[in-house]
This record gives sequence, C-alpha cells and structure tokens, in this order.
Amino acid sequence: AQTVTQSQPEMSVQEAETVTLSCTYDTSENNYYLFWYKQPPSRQMILVIRQEAYKQQNATENRFSVNFQKAAKSFSLKISDSQLGDTAMYFCAFSAADKLIFGTGTRLQVFP
Amino acid sequence: DTEVTQTPKHLVMGMTNKKSLKCEQHMGHRAMYWYKQKAKKPPELMFVYSYEKLSINESVPSRFSPECPNSSLLNLHLHALQPEDSALYLCASSRGRGGAQPEAFFGQGTRLTVV
Repeated sequence: AQTVTQSQPEMSVQEAETVTLSCTYDTSENNYYLFWYKQPPSRQMILVIRQEAYKQQNATENRFSVNFQKAAKSFSLKISDSQLGDTAMYFCAFSAADKLIFGTGTRLQVFP
Repeated sequence: DTEVTQTPKHLVMGMTNKKSLKCEQHMGHRAMYWYKQKAKKPPELMFVYSYEKLSINESVPSRFSPECPNSSLLNLHLHALQPEDSALYLCASSRGRGGAQPEAFFGQGTRLTVV
C-alpha cells in the first residue's frame, strides 16, 4: 500500500521570503506521479505542480519548484517570493493505477 | 474548460432521507473520483470510476452508493446516513490510465450535514 507523509502540520513565512514544505512517500510501484495541491479556505483543491517519477529533472512552475529525490522517496515543495495569496493548506499527493492519495497536509500562513 | 461542477454546494439531510450528490465534467476525462474530507483532514478516497466502471471501492459503507451514468457524470446516492458522515464531499476527474495529463481536477465540493 502507498503512504504519503507530511511531517510539518503548520508553517509560516513572511511575504517575499522562501519556504520549503516536506513530503515523503512509500510505494513499490515503478510508474507513478507526485503532486502538490493547494486548498485555500474557499475549499477548492487546486493543482500547484506535478512530477512524473520517470523524469529526473525537477518540475518548476513559476514561483513553485520541487526537489524530487526518487531513491529517498522524498518530494519537497519550494515556494519562492511568497505572497499573501499562498496562504492555504498544502497537500502532497501520490498517484498510481487510478488511485490518488493525499498526505496529511501542511497549513501555510504567509505574513505581511 | 477545466471545470468540475458539483451540485448542490450545501446539503442538510435527516438520517432517514435519501439524497444524491452530482458531479459533471466535460474535459473528456475517463477517471472520476469521490472523496470525503473532514475538517482539517486530507481528502479520503471513497470510489474511483475508470471508463465508467467502478474500479476502486475503499470499503465504503453501503449507505453510500456511487453511479456513473456516462463518461461525464458521476453521482453519489446517500441513504440512511449517520451524523458522522457530515463532511465535505469532493468529486474529481482525470484522464485515466495512460493519459498524458495524469493530474486530477477537483470540484468545489458539497458540504453535507446530517442531522
């Protein structure tokens, strides 16, 4: 069975600073995808970034980038130039064979 | 159009009621999902439909009954629910196995309260 672990229940960062959210996972699958989703108070789950496990290059999407360490089963999210609108719950997620499962989440607060 | 539409947005039902949650997408996605999310918790997978067939049931009680009438629609029929079933119910869709874009798109959810 796959598991996704986020060890930081809450994080805070000042506007314009950089913050890194951690995620580890466990799987015996070879072909899988990893995602970071954001859920603001409006409750809409929004995709932030995705990483294909077969790709060695780390994914980047504007201010968001990941550090994907396949051997260590680690998948951290770096948010650069943090903005007030980044305040949300962030979930790391794993997908294989039609199954998409989520970590426990990290609540990120961005302060002015 | 990357929208997944869920109706209703809010639902209050008694324990003896029968109600249905609806989900619709027009992205040509072939996998559709139901999740249950309690406050301050991650979404928990309930059901997955792949090419209109139920492929995953995460040991969900039979008072929850999913239905996929066609590739664009997903329903969740509710009957004899308990107060602990009160939660946010999220629907999602993705391209499915072999799809070039594996990410799931989510609806805004239905906030269900069982009284």
